[in-house]
Amino acid sequence: DAGVIQSPRHEVTEMGQEVTLRCKPISGHDYLFWYRQTMMRGLELLIYFNNNVPIDDSGMPEDRFSAKMPNASFSTLKIQPSEPRDSAVYFCASTPSTGGINTGELFFGEGSRLTVL
Amino acid sequence: KQEVTQIPAALSVPEGENLVLNCSFTDSAIYNLQWFRQDPGKGLTSLLLIQSSQREQTSGRLNASLDKSSGRSTLYIAASQPGDSATYLCAVDTGTASKLTFGTGTRLQVTL
Repeated sequence: DAGVIQSPRHEVTEMGQEVTLRCKPISGHDYLFWYRQTMMRGLELLIYFNNNVPIDDSGMPEDRFSAKMPNASFSTLKIQPSEPRDSAVYFCASTPSTGGINTGELFFGEGSRLTVL
Repeated sequence: KQEVTQIPAALSVPEGENLVLNCSFTDSAIYNLQWFRQDPGKGLTSLLLIQSSQREQTSGRLNASLDKSSGRSTLYIAASQPGDSATYLCAVDTGTASKLTFGTGTRLQVTL
């Protein structure tokens, strides 16, 4: 398996622009997570899905952030409008479950480094 | 609220040394604890996963221990190599479907 695939790897944009980050989880994994990593705050969970359904979005910082998972093999994280403080590395991760129970082992993508000028 | 602390923040050791990385957490009611490795510009790679009922896990030169009652975990790396240089993060799962709380990491450098 190719692992969790994220795109773009790097994105530089100007304040106010819309940013869309993409993620393809590992086939067969039914949990998908979006994390954000910054020097100041470390790794923070933004939102996670189970079987394509958003379960907990309490980590999404503002209404400017939205995430979707239209099918089992694709998810997006959108920021509209973007601001300089959104600059960070955004990671997608997936994990399988056994009998519907999350196994706990996360597999991370290589991240999307976002810079908002 | 769960808080995870890792000490030291950075560590430099000569090749061949055995070393211990520390992780402490404030809420002992955890589901599991994981140790990850992160290389510069890369994602995280899971190294070891310890369930709350376990006390340790081993993989090759790595051994992770868990003491829930004291809120501590250690990652022991035997016979360190330059290729072990990376940032090591621990994360605790409080049982809500992998809502992991991460520590800030220990940046390890193994020198020749």
